[in-house]
Amino acid sequence: DVQLVESGGGLVKPGGSLRLSCAASGFGFSRYAMNWVRQAPGKGLEWVSSISSSSTYIYYADSVKGRFTISRDNAKNSMYLQMDGLSVEDTAIYYCARDKTSMDVWGNGTRVTVSS
Amino acid sequence: SSVLTQPPSVSVAPGQTASITCGENNIGDNSVHWYQQKPGQAPVLVVFDDSSRPSGIPERFSGSKSGNTATLTISRVEAGDEADYYCKMWDSSSDHYVFGTGTKVTVL
Repeated sequence: DVQLVESGGGLVKPGGSLRLSCAASGFGFSRYAMNWVRQAPGKGLEWVSSISSSSTYIYYADSVKGRFTISRDNAKNSMYLQMDGLSVEDTAIYYCARDKTSMDVWGNGTRVTVSS
Repeated sequence: SSVLTQPPSVSVAPGQTASITCGENNIGDNSVHWYQQKPGQAPVLVVFDDSSRPSGIPERFSGSKSGNTATLTISRVEAGDEADYYCKMWDSSSDHYVFGTGTKVTVL
């Protein structure tokens, strides 16, 4: 089965850091671009970052640029999101999603809470 | 950057048709995708590239685009269609994905 599983979420203080992981299985991970999308409590979907299949192209939302770093390891079928300088506004469920023209496969998300 | 505007809510009786709009000035130049999200669940792709349906999505779900507006139409609405729906497109002027503001579909 095609599957994405996020991990690494948790409770962190403002200014702190977290590293999220997205483990892929059931498809040729190295052939696909990947994305991070987040959803704050009670709010809509917000695109965070995208990375091309070979990491050549990387894009960030303005709200996270300079604080978050997306990366991937095709040998490990995994994608990562290093989040530094976290603020309460970063509190959300973070989803990883495969990009095949559109975001056609999503993980179940990992919850990040930024609070003092 | 682009803003995709959707109506906050749409109410529809079972068996009727629900139409959800998604408006933006440059939408005609970009492919639009639609996602369904039920409470506590991850989003699910229901329409891609304006009007194509992924395998497993009922034919009741269809997409179209005209001028500056894309539309998701749900025909013969069922109780299980009650969810939030989001449009999305790639804004090539900013190299950003943009999600719509979201529409809550309520089945009466």
